[in-house]
Amino acid sequence: DAGVTQSPTHLIKTRGQHVTLRCSPISGHKSVSWYQQVLGQGPQFIFQYYEKEERGRGNFPDRFSARQFPNYSSELNVNALLLGDSALYLCASRPLGGPGYPQYFGPGTRLTVL
Amino acid sequence: QQQVKQSPQSLIVQKGGISIINCAYENTAFDYFPWYQQFPGKGPALLIAIRPDVSEKKEGRFTISFNKSAKQFSLHIMDSQPGDSATYFCAASGGETSGSRLTFGEGTQLTVNP
Repeated sequence: DAGVTQSPTHLIKTRGQHVTLRCSPISGHKSVSWYQQVLGQGPQFIFQYYEKEERGRGNFPDRFSARQFPNYSSELNVNALLLGDSALYLCASRPLGGPGYPQYFGPGTRLTVL
Repeated sequence: QQQVKQSPQSLIVQKGGISIINCAYENTAFDYFPWYQQFPGKGPALLIAIRPDVSEKKEGRFTISFNKSAKQFSLHIMDSQPGDSATYFCAASGGETSGSRLTFGEGTQLTVNP
C-alpha cells in the first residue's frame, strides 16, 4: 500500500508570496495533520483535520490555513510568506480522529523562502 | 506549556553497543508515547509506541521503558548498527487540550560507528 504522499517535494518562494502544499493520506485514513519542522528541531503541530472539519490548531498565525477534501486529501496554505516560514512541512495521516492512534508521516515538502 | 524534553542532543555508539535516549514530559494527561526515526531529507518514520498502562514494550532491537511516576520514558536500541544512524524523536499526545496532536522532543542525532 502507498504511504502518505506530498507534493511538491521542494519549493522556492520569495517573501510575501503565497504557497499551497498538498497531501494524500494512506488509503482508508480519514484524519490528516500538518506539522512544520525547522532544521534541527522537532516537528511542530499546525493543524488536524478529520472528516473535513478542523479538529485542532497549533500556535501559528492566521497566515496559515488548511482544508480537507471529500477524498480526505488536504491542502496547507500559507500567505504572505516570511523568511522564517522556511522549513520542512510534514503531513501525517491516521485512521481515525481520536487520540492514541499511530500517525504516519509523508516525506515532506521542503519550502525555502528567499 | 506542554513540553517534551529529550536528551542527549547527540550520541555516538560503537557497532553492537546499546543506544539509550531519554525523554521527560510535563503533561500528566498524555497517554500515548511514540518514537520516530528520521533520516536526512525524509519524513519521520514510526518506530515503536507505548501507552502508560505498561512499563516496557519491545519490538525487535527496540525497547521503550516507561516510568509513569517520574513522567519519563526512554528508547533502548540493542546491538546498534551503522544503519541505525539517524535522528530520533520522542513524542507524546493525549488529554482534552492536546487530543491527538503530537508534541515532539528536540531530537537526538545518533551515530553508530562501524
